Amino acid sequence: EAQVTQNPRYLITVTGKKLTVTCSQNMNHEYMSWYRQDPGLGLRQIYYSMNVEVTDKGDVPEGYKVSRKEKRNFPLILESPSPNQTSLYFCASSLNGPNTEAFFGQGTRLTVV
Amino acid sequence: GNSVTQMEGPVTLSEEAFLTINCTYTATGYPSLFWYVQYPGEGLQLLLKATKADDKGSNKGFEATYRKETTSFHLEKGSVQVSDSAVYFCAHGVAGGYNKLIFGAGTRLAVHP
Repeated sequence: EAQVTQNPRYLITVTGKKLTVTCSQNMNHEYMSWYRQDPGLGLRQIYYSMNVEVTDKGDVPEGYKVSRKEKRNFPLILESPSPNQTSLYFCASSLNGPNTEAFFGQGTRLTVV
Repeated sequence: GNSVTQMEGPVTLSEEAFLTINCTYTATGYPSLFWYVQYPGEGLQLLLKATKADDKGSNKGFEATYRKETTSFHLEKGSVQVSDSAVYFCAHGVAGGYNKLIFGAGTRLAVHP
């Protein structure tokens, strides 16, 4: 089954404690993105990747890092989480580009206290 | 700039009622247009799409037509069911070298028996 898998689904952490949200896709897509979803704002892109070792900032990259060492994996790293990063995070992958039809993971609900 | 505006919710309907969720966009060029649906506790799923003017996307009884002259992509369904209760997101793929999807804020639909 074609899917994008994120882990964990839920996470509560404290300010400043580094964390990683993993994302893996099994569709051999070159393009992957991270979005955050906040009430009234829809989804906003954090980072995207065009291929292995090729990543770039989206609209709201501050406080986040990503890496793309393998085609299937695109982890999101929060080096020093802050309460304003409390949000619902989605990983997405696409066949034809980050601005085309995307497949989304189940989401990770992060709370930073 | 690039943006998507969709009607605020929540939209509350009785089963078998007619549904319209309005969506308008601003964009450079002629982007692809999408409707995504998010069921409770799940990620976003592509509901339908249209890639050029006058195209009609359809799926599961939902329809939307790409209207270039009014820059709109309104979602319609003739007879909603309780199982259609979800949050609906309108989005467009930003053309012209941008690498992201632009989402509206989302519209929550609640259908009662």
